[in-house]
Formats: sequence, C-alpha cells, structure tokens
Amino acid sequence: GQSLEQPSEVTAVEGAIVQINCTYQTSGFYGLSWYQQHDGGAPTFLSYNALDGLEETGRFSSFLSRSDSYGYLLLQELQMKDSASYFCAVRHSGNTPLVFGKGTRLSVIA
Amino acid sequence: DTAVSQTPKYLVTQMGNDKSIKCEQNLGHDTMYWYKQDSKKFLKIMFSYNNKELIINETVPNRFSPKSPDKAHLNLHINSLELGDSAVYFCASSQEPATNEKLFFGSGTQLSVL
Repeated sequence: GQSLEQPSEVTAVEGAIVQINCTYQTSGFYGLSWYQQHDGGAPTFLSYNALDGLEETGRFSSFLSRSDSYGYLLLQELQMKDSASYFCAVRHSGNTPLVFGKGTRLSVIA
Repeated sequence: DTAVSQTPKYLVTQMGNDKSIKCEQNLGHDTMYWYKQDSKKFLKIMFSYNNKELIINETVPNRFSPKSPDKAHLNLHINSLELGDSAVYFCASSQEPATNEKLFFGSGTQLSVL
C-alpha cells in the first residue's frame, strides 16, 4: 500500500515563500505529483517529479528526493489567491491510479 | 468547452434512494476515474477505467456501480444510498495509465444524503 504525510495546515504572509513537505511510503514508486484545490473547486495539476531534483514552473517549484522518500512544493511571492489546499500524490506502478495525501490547507494572510 | 464535465453539480436525496452521476470528457483520453472526497478533504480512488474496461476497483461497496458506455463517458450509479455516502464525487481523466500523473478533474458532484 501507500501512505503520504503532509502538514494539515500552513499559514504564510503575502509576498513570502512557503514550503509544503510530503513524505511517502509506497511499495513501488513512479513519481510525485502536486495538485491545488480551491474551496468548492476541483483539484488541478501543478507539477510532477519522476527524478530527483527541482522542477520550476513560474512561482511554483517542486522537489523530489527518491532516496529520502521526500518531496516538497515551494511557492514564492505568495498571493492571496494561493490560499487553497495542496495535495501530494504518488502512484506506485504504471498501471495504478494516483493516491493522494490528505492535503495541506494554505492560508495566505496580508 | 469544458474538458471533463459531470452532472449534476449538487444532488440532495433521501436515504435508500438510487441515483446516478454522469461524466463526460472531450480530451480523447483513454482512462477515466471516480474519486470520492470526504468532509476532511481526503481524496480516495474508487474506480479506474481504461478504454471502457474496469482496471481498478478499490474497496467500494457493491452499491456503487460504474458504467462506461464508451471511452469518453464514465457514469456512476449508486443504489440504496446511505448517510455515509455524503461526499463530493469527482470524475477525472488522463491520457493513459502509464502517464496518469496528470489528471483532469471534473467540477465535482456534491452528494448529500438525508
């Protein structure tokens, strides 16, 4: 089976940088994904890491260390609209669906 | 055009009733899914279909029956609804199982069982 751990809540100030960590335990590993979900909305894809290292997409970056079974999502220049829940997700083989963590609720304050 | 659309958006019903949720995707994807999101926002996979064939059926009561008439549609029928079925149900699709890290989600159906 798989399990993912991420903080339940994070609060950060507008304009700041915040890092949301995710550790995972899986029987196999095919990559770590991140999704954003605003209240009342659908999850939307943010990033995917299959290999170790940092992937950057605008203000958002995602990091993976396979040897540590650990990854993080980094959000820079925080904006109020970044207030949302962020989910890490893994799949343990090529033919299995994504399994999601329980989500981290990010609150951006002025 | 909406990529993944599901209807209805809200569904309020009595215990014991039978209801269906419809899902359609116009992305040409081969794989479709149903996820359930509970009140604590935990997203749990229920079913996965590839090209109309069931490939994943997680531990879901058999009151839940998915139907895929073609690869663009995956409907969810629920019999004998129970209070614990109240949740948001998301349909999703992806290119193919091997690259399903990028899911496209529908807007969700909020099911309330009274």
